[in-house]
Amino acid sequence: EPEVTQTPSHQVTQMGQEVILRCVPISNHLYFYWYRQILGQKVEFLVSFYNNEISEKSEIFDDQFSVERPDGSNFTLKIRSTKLEDSAMYFCASSGDRGTEQFFGPGTRLTVL
Amino acid sequence: KNEVEQSPQNLTAQEGEFITINCSYSVGISALHWLQQHPGGGIVSLFMLSSGKKKHGRLIATINIQEKHSSLHITASHPRDSAVYICAVGRMEYGNKLVFGAGTILRVKS
Repeated sequence: EPEVTQTPSHQVTQMGQEVILRCVPISNHLYFYWYRQILGQKVEFLVSFYNNEISEKSEIFDDQFSVERPDGSNFTLKIRSTKLEDSAMYFCASSGDRGTEQFFGPGTRLTVL
Repeated sequence: KNEVEQSPQNLTAQEGEFITINCSYSVGISALHWLQQHPGGGIVSLFMLSSGKKKHGRLIATINIQEKHSSLHITASHPRDSAVYICAVGRMEYGNKLVFGAGTILRVKS
């Protein structure tokens, strides 16, 4: 069964460093999303992406964040200069069509020291 | 005010019991999703519904659009059902983002 994959599963970085979180969505899906979950809190929307551009972004998704689909398979989230409060689990999701079920990856746990 | 409210926050049940988790929302939605999150963190989609009722195995999800309320039922609960159950609403007009509830922590004891 097709699935969304994410790498790495756990990333530890120093404050101020850049990180890139990678996702491979399900191959025929067209809509892509990043969410994050700070430990003990609810899942929050970061950004949605369709047709090589951002469809919607949250207030969390400031200038330090960017997304890219560099090739036909990968979907990346970059944080330029990490802060302590960026420590969270980051989930990638994809869906085949607008308004359809979203399939989640296993998540990347980001720890900023 | 949270756009999605779930109750209860925590639920402990005995194996075999019938379980109900409730979700209320205050915004216009394209669909409502029930998701399951296990201790390892992964999120699995259980249901997506925009009207009526859906059933999958021992899980049943219902939605009342007029009342902006949904319920997730688990029949004949089992310890392996122990997980966090999350209600999320789809906002198609906002890039189809999901807005999540805080989750219900379910523990089923044998």
